[in-house]
Amino acid sequence: GESVGLHLPTLSVQEGDNSIINCAYSNSASDYFIWYKQESGKGPQFIIDIRSNMDKRQGQRVTVLLNKTVKHLSLQIAATQPGDSAVYFCAPQPGNTPLVFGKGTRLSVIA
Amino acid sequence: GAVVSQHPSRVICKSGTSVKIECRSLDFQATTMFWYRQFPKQSLMLMATSNEGSKATYEQGVEKDKFLINHASLTLSTLTVTSAHPEDSSFYICSARAELGSPLHFGNGTRLTVT
Repeated sequence: GESVGLHLPTLSVQEGDNSIINCAYSNSASDYFIWYKQESGKGPQFIIDIRSNMDKRQGQRVTVLLNKTVKHLSLQIAATQPGDSAVYFCAPQPGNTPLVFGKGTRLSVIA
Repeated sequence: GAVVSQHPSRVICKSGTSVKIECRSLDFQATTMFWYRQFPKQSLMLMATSNEGSKATYEQGVEKDKFLINHASLTLSTLTVTSAHPEDSSFYICSARAELGSPLHFGNGTRLTVT
């Protein structure tokens, strides 16, 4: 299965600052990657995805960067808000196989 | 967007009883659904893959006779925790995708507490 690791288990940022959450993956055959946000007591929520033929994708306040050379992903959140406090998971999603989750990064926003 | 609904959101049961959790895809059909379990401050762990019209595939270490999965239709999978014990207390989450190559969408989970 996929081995997914996250560089930092916790991240604290000041409200209004930008957040960067990093993720490493091991399977070079992975061609589709998703970031999920999980708030306390809820299921993971889709944030943004990126395919391997891209190296950057932007959403509303979020940007995902993909570096296939070093098998690294990052999620950037602009102007972080208290509502962004959650655990963030990156997940390679090959075909119809289930997702294997790493530990996740807990983002805490300091007001 | 694709919506996955899970019911109940919370359940408390006595040790030795069985609990059924439902997972529905509301606006799409899902031939495959996935069941995860999450303990406090831990990540999601895949328990099993639910296949419509056939037997579920269980991950290593997950007892198929204890966690019964039924996927009788393209929009409904159920997980039954049989003879529940306190150590089965956990957060159970289901997921499904609308089509191959699209993101997995998750239900909001079921908090099971066994007393």
